[in-house]
Amino acid sequence: GQQLNQSPQSMFIQEGEDVSMNCTSSSIFNTWLWYKQDPGEGPVLLIALYKAGELTSNGRLTAQFGITRKDSFLNISASIPSDVGIYFCAGRSDLNYGQNFVFGPGTRLSVLP
Amino acid sequence: SQTIHQWPATLVQPVGSPLSLECTVEGTSNPNLYWYRQAAGRGLQLLFYSVGIGQISSEVPQNLSASRPQDRQFILSSKKLLLSDSGFYLCAWSAGYEGYTFGSGTRLTVV
Repeated sequence: GQQLNQSPQSMFIQEGEDVSMNCTSSSIFNTWLWYKQDPGEGPVLLIALYKAGELTSNGRLTAQFGITRKDSFLNISASIPSDVGIYFCAGRSDLNYGQNFVFGPGTRLSVLP
Repeated sequence: SQTIHQWPATLVQPVGSPLSLECTVEGTSNPNLYWYRQAAGRGLQLLFYSVGIGQISSEVPQNLSASRPQDRQFILSSKKLLLSDSGFYLCAWSAGYEGYTFGSGTRLTVV
């Protein structure tokens, strides 16, 4: 079945630093999503990407749909303490109507003051 | 606007006891509904999904079952809980091609 890999698994950064993480797949996807999960909460959708090469921003967050359609990237600029959490990518190939999204294992972000 | 409700927020149950977690969605019709489980520090594991009333698909064999008695209601159940059923359970909905909206989760501890 389809699987996603996320890198890095976890990261510790200083407040104010920029963050980069990525998500890769062995399959081609037509839709990429990025979610953030705060501790003890459900994941919240940050950015949705629908087209290869697409670059979309949401405040300090910027995500890109990779040209190969097998990867996606999320960048966070000038990190702040509330950026702490788990970031999940999710992809779907849309080959079949109603096909479910596949989620990556997550990148755990810690921000040191 | 659409909202998703999930309860209870936390639950401590003894081994062998039954389980019933409920999820309801407001503000939409015929949503796709999902149950996920998340072990501590781990990713999201899809347990069940439903594209309509009475239609349930199971992703992994397990001690749990799901039902969808009404269009916007999704229930996760077990007749006898195991220790390994402990985890964070998340309900989610989607309108077909759109991304998923998750509930706030239920933290289940089986003792």
